[in-house]
Amino acid sequence: AQSVTQLGSHVSVSEGALVLLRCNYSSSVPPYLFWYVQYPNQGLQLLLKYTTGATLVKGINGFEAEFKKSETSFHLTKPSAHMSDAAEYFCAAGYGQNFVFGPGTRLSVLP
Amino acid sequence: DVKVTQSSRYLVKRTGEKVFLECVQDMDHENMFWYRQDPGLGLRLIYFSYDVKMKEKGDIPEGYSVSREKKERFSLILESASTNQTSMYLCASSSGTGNTGELFFGEGSRLTVL
Repeated sequence: AQSVTQLGSHVSVSEGALVLLRCNYSSSVPPYLFWYVQYPNQGLQLLLKYTTGATLVKGINGFEAEFKKSETSFHLTKPSAHMSDAAEYFCAAGYGQNFVFGPGTRLSVLP
Repeated sequence: DVKVTQSSRYLVKRTGEKVFLECVQDMDHENMFWYRQDPGLGLRLIYFSYDVKMKEKGDIPEGYSVSREKKERFSLILESASTNQTSMYLCASSSGTGNTGELFFGEGSRLTVL
């Protein structure tokens, strides 16, 4: 069965520091890949997605992610964290009409 | 603005009660999904539907049923609620054309079963 792993259930960074959230997928066939963000008591909203083409994908709020097929990874980064980035982040892989989600990483941003 | 609307944000029910969670999307999407979200477990798929009156079991369908009588509406039913069904329930939809379409989520329904 396909799976998505996210290293670190909780990541803390200082305001202004680099944000790095890790995501790996298990599949010999590259899926479509997504990062979603969830603010408290809200649904998930799309940050960015990779389908085909350029492997570095830019999303909203200054986030970007790079698809590395050789490493089966799709890590999310942001050069400078802001307090408003504190949320839970989910990596997901799309296989046809189906989606597999990682367990999520809670990002805390310290002043 | 495109939208997925879940009828109830917060519900408190008693064990054994029948619970209806309703979801409506205004994007004319073919696909609709119900997920359950629990801390540390991410999102787990309960049921999904690719078309009106169609339904498919997801990873954790036990104790749940669904109904899709109209394209825009997908309901999740707990026939007899139990305490282990206390959770956040998320509805989502996606376009059926192609397979690059992302999921659009509702705001979630937080259910507490006492």
